[in-house]
Amino acid sequence: DQQVKQNSPSLSVQEGRISILNCDYTNSMFDYFLWYKKYPAEGPTFLISISSIKDKNEDGRFTVFLNKSAKHLSLHIVPSQPGDSAVYFCAATISGTYKYIFGTGTRLKVLA
Amino acid sequence: EAGVTQFPSHSVIEKGQTVTLRCDPISGHDNLYWYRRVMGKEIKFLLHFVKESKQDESGMPNNRFLAERTGGTYSTLKVQPAELEDSGVYFCASSRYQGSSYNEQFFGPGTRLTVL
Repeated sequence: DQQVKQNSPSLSVQEGRISILNCDYTNSMFDYFLWYKKYPAEGPTFLISISSIKDKNEDGRFTVFLNKSAKHLSLHIVPSQPGDSAVYFCAATISGTYKYIFGTGTRLKVLA
Repeated sequence: EAGVTQFPSHSVIEKGQTVTLRCDPISGHDNLYWYRRVMGKEIKFLLHFVKESKQDESGMPNNRFLAERTGGTYSTLKVQPAELEDSGVYFCASSRYQGSSYNEQFFGPGTRLTVL
């Protein structure tokens, strides 16, 4: 039973436009959420995170929104750049457990 | 600061053989994790070490998998005997001890294991 779901396996966006990647979770005990970016043949790298006590966190071009009632989070990239083309993984964790529960990833392609 | 390193980058073995994967965490990181991604699926947690102690091994698939972290530095993950369904990319990650689970995990490049 997958507790973190990324229902869009892929997404294509024009350079300069907004990319919106979505993630749903089922476990209401999750209290910290993260996005990781992964290029081919490399390991995932941390991008941005959000605690369950917040509903938004922003870092440069990247903003994560959390809707606890809907158990949904999204990552917005504005403006999108060709270098953003990668697989994006949503992850969640419960404080004290340390392990991350990942989704299946969304492959973002930013077209020049 | 050197990142998390993993060896080998690729391994191709036959069903029934043994394979040992190695992970060197970032220096000073007490927490070490193993994850696995089977093709197209989620990155799945396998286990977590704090120094040399196994803190959580709830994700280990079965007793054909053995992880060790002698001396609290590098870690090995042995698969014996390997089965076809063990194929995938094995990631190692490490993080500092900060008294909280909200510390960033740094991932290595992974070892791609193919069992024929």
